Amino acid sequence: EPEVTQTPSHQVTQMGQEVILRCVPISNHLYFYWYRQILGQKVEFLVSFYNNEISEKSEIFDDQFSVERPDGSNFTLKIRSTKLEDSAMYFCASSWGPGQEAEAFFGQGTRLTVV
Amino acid sequence: KNEVEQSPQNLTAQEGEFITINCSYSVGISALHWLQQHPGGGIVSLFMLSSGKKKHGRLIATINIQEKHSSLHITASHPRDSAVYICAAPNSGNTPLVFGKGTRLSVIA
Repeated sequence: EPEVTQTPSHQVTQMGQEVILRCVPISNHLYFYWYRQILGQKVEFLVSFYNNEISEKSEIFDDQFSVERPDGSNFTLKIRSTKLEDSAMYFCASSWGPGQEAEAFFGQGTRLTVV
Repeated sequence: KNEVEQSPQNLTAQEGEFITINCSYSVGISALHWLQQHPGGGIVSLFMLSSGKKKHGRLIATINIQEKHSSLHITASHPRDSAVYICAAPNSGNTPLVFGKGTRLSVIA
């Protein structure tokens, strides 16, 4: 069964460092998302990506964040200068259609720890 | 913005019990998602439903679009059902999902 894969599963980084979280969505999907979950809290939307551009972003997704789909298969989330409060589980998801129409498939997540 | 509320927050059941988890949302939608999050953190999609009822094994999801309410039922619960169950709805007509806080289910043998 096709699945969304994320790497790494766990990353520890120093405050102020840049991190890149990687995702390989399901191959025929068109909509891509990043969500995050701070420990003990609910999952929050960060950004959606469709047709090679950001289609929507939340207030969390500030100038420190960026997304790319560099080669048609990978979908990356970059945090330029990490802060302690960026520590969270980051989930990538993909779907063939928008949220009202299509089931979203999630990766296993990357646990980011900023120290 | 869609507000998604779940109840209960925590639920402990004996193996074999019938489980019900409720979800309500504030903005009319055409589809709602039920997801399962295991202790390791991974999220699995269980259902996407827009009307009536869907069944998958021992899991049943129902939705009432007019009342903005959905329920997830688990029949003959088993310890391996222990997880956090999350409902999520699209934010109005847009694509991203708004998540509920989740219901932590523990099924005891």
